[in-house]
Amino acid sequence: AQTVTQSQPEMSVQEAETVTLSCTYDTSESDYYLFWYKQPPSRQMILVIRQEAYKQQNATENRFSVNFQKAAKSFSLKISDSQLGDAAMYFCAYRSLSGAGSYQLTFGKGTKLSVIP
Amino acid sequence: GAGVSQSPRYKVAKRGQDVALRCDPISGHVSLFWYQQALGQGPEFLTYFQNEAQLDKSGLPSDRFFAERPEGSVSTLKIQRTQQEDSAVYLCASSRDRGREQYFGPGTRLTVT
Repeated sequence: AQTVTQSQPEMSVQEAETVTLSCTYDTSESDYYLFWYKQPPSRQMILVIRQEAYKQQNATENRFSVNFQKAAKSFSLKISDSQLGDAAMYFCAYRSLSGAGSYQLTFGKGTKLSVIP
Repeated sequence: GAGVSQSPRYKVAKRGQDVALRCDPISGHVSLFWYQQALGQGPEFLTYFQNEAQLDKSGLPSDRFFAERPEGSVSTLKIQRTQQEDSAVYLCASSRDRGREQYFGPGTRLTVT
């Protein structure tokens, strides 16, 4: 079974600065998806960014980018120019590309990000 | 268009009561998922529907949990004889198809006293 580990329960960043959230995962599969989700206090989970494991290029979405290290099974999220609206719980998630569980997401425990004005 | 909606947003139940949690997916989404999120944890998969067919219920923690989606749209998660350990946020997500992006609802926070 796949596992996702987020080792930072809480992080803080000054507004306009850059912060990196860490995620590691364990899998025996070669093809899969990795995601970062944001969950603000209202609890609606929102997809931030997605990475396909077969792509070597790191995904980017505006101020959000990832550092995907497949061999190390590491998938960190970098938030540049942090804004107050970035404050939320951030979850790293894994999804298989094939097999019986290829639709369900496996989440880490999350990292609570605070943005300091 | 409208996103995934869930009702009620909050539910308090006394231990032993039955509860029903509703999920309205995005119109046209054939795949529907239920996740359970305990306090301080990430969501955990409960069950998956493709249209009206429940294709995977491997994550349901006990036979007190039951989910249905009779017409392939609205889904209901029912918990019988609630226990304190059932206290959690129950999240529903839908997607256009099983391999596509999952869109989440706001969740129902269940507190069992």
